[in-house]
Amino acid sequence: GAGVSQSPSNKVTEKGKDVELRCDPISGHTALYWYRQSLGQGLEFLIYFQGNSAPDKSGLPSDRFSAERTGGSVSTLTIQRTQQEDSAVYLCASSLAAALGGYTFGSGTRLTVV
Amino acid sequence: GESVGLHLPTLSVQEGDNSIINCAYSNSASDYFIWYKQESGKGPQFIIDIRSNMDKRQGQRVTVLLNKTVKHLSLQIAATQPGDSAVYFCAEKSPLNYGGSQGNLIFGKGTKLSVKP
Repeated sequence: GAGVSQSPSNKVTEKGKDVELRCDPISGHTALYWYRQSLGQGLEFLIYFQGNSAPDKSGLPSDRFSAERTGGSVSTLTIQRTQQEDSAVYLCASSLAAALGGYTFGSGTRLTVV
Repeated sequence: GESVGLHLPTLSVQEGDNSIINCAYSNSASDYFIWYKQESGKGPQFIIDIRSNMDKRQGQRVTVLLNKTVKHLSLQIAATQPGDSAVYFCAEKSPLNYGGSQGNLIFGKGTKLSVKP
């Protein structure tokens, strides 16, 4: 597509429920990134996929968080047993290659855990 | 660990004035820097980038300056307009990050720019 697409744009869930956030990167972009942004804060790195290599999961805050990228394209970020502190905007970005160039970000999914 | 930081968390300017947003980085190996603009409710948007073999790069109404001696990066916006109101992030990339760590780009905390009409 023309840009990075994320869905849903907003998600309200009850504490303890699982949620899935979707990212559809720009076609042909081999690198895909997930970031978390709490209100008024900077970008917290979560996970990074590059081609068929094993993902860099070093930013995932707990084992309740996981992500996968199927077929080198669409990615899903899953948060199990959501907690109120998980409330944030989850941003996805993609790029042509990991080494050069900037990222193109999606508009994010605003997750609210009540 | 090494990280990117910003001197000013908020900046308020009058419409028509020039804005300068500063960023300090501590990784002397970083060789590529980017400025992003994030408007409310949107994802960060690429503004301008600069490689370490340059000290200045100009775009439309924006200029990025890089001072490697003091590890300082700045974004200058000429004739600031209300549409420039946003949070601005700097990001750095180090050759040490190529291949995975932290997703290659390390982002600063952000500076909120408010433009008064």
